[in-house]
Amino acid sequence: GAGVSQSPRYKVAKRGQDVALRCDPISGHVSLFWYQQALGQGPEFLTYFQNEAQLDKSGLPSDRFFAERPEGSVSTLKIQRTQQEDSAVYLCASSLGGGANTQYFGPGTRLTVL
Amino acid sequence: QKEVEQDPGPLSVPEGAIVSLNCTYSNSAFQYFMWYRQYSRKGPELLMYTYSSGNKEDGRFTAQVDKSSKYISLFIRDSQPSDSATYLCAMSGSLTGGGNKLTFGTGTQLKVEL
Repeated sequence: GAGVSQSPRYKVAKRGQDVALRCDPISGHVSLFWYQQALGQGPEFLTYFQNEAQLDKSGLPSDRFFAERPEGSVSTLKIQRTQQEDSAVYLCASSLGGGANTQYFGPGTRLTVL
Repeated sequence: QKEVEQDPGPLSVPEGAIVSLNCTYSNSAFQYFMWYRQYSRKGPELLMYTYSSGNKEDGRFTAQVDKSSKYISLFIRDSQPSDSATYLCAMSGSLTGGGNKLTFGTGTQLKVEL
């Protein structure tokens, strides 16, 4: 299909390991968002890209979190030295941008840190 | 206090019932209001999108926004077992730049019983 895809769907990491989560947005979508969804909670904003520019990273919880979108399409969210509190579902969403506000979400990556 | 408050439920109703889901918010800058449906282990799926105050109807779903009371609602008529999911309200303040990042409620878990 032509929706947002994310990989891996599930990731188990030992505390202290680095992880990288990938997002493939809908083709042609300018805007890309990352959200973190803890168990039983709504998604919380992490960061936003317009094309390759990271315009807002105010939601990143610490400097262990880093996101990039070097060519304005695929994005990677990297978490260094994972901690147990990083366990959550990481959701990626994309939108057309340019005034279009509808965000389309991927299935998420469920990260479990042991 | 969270910017968006939503009763987490769970809410259990018989098939065919009218369901009312609600959110309150505190940020007057919110102008765009959305309802997402999230099935277990899936990403959120957009159901309804409204701008400012008023009503919007789409099939069995009706969204209402009352900006003066900072209160939004989603009504589901003739509820079906397939409507069983978590319903998330979301809102944003702007279409431009990072302003259209979404602020979500906690989500209300709905179960429609046969």
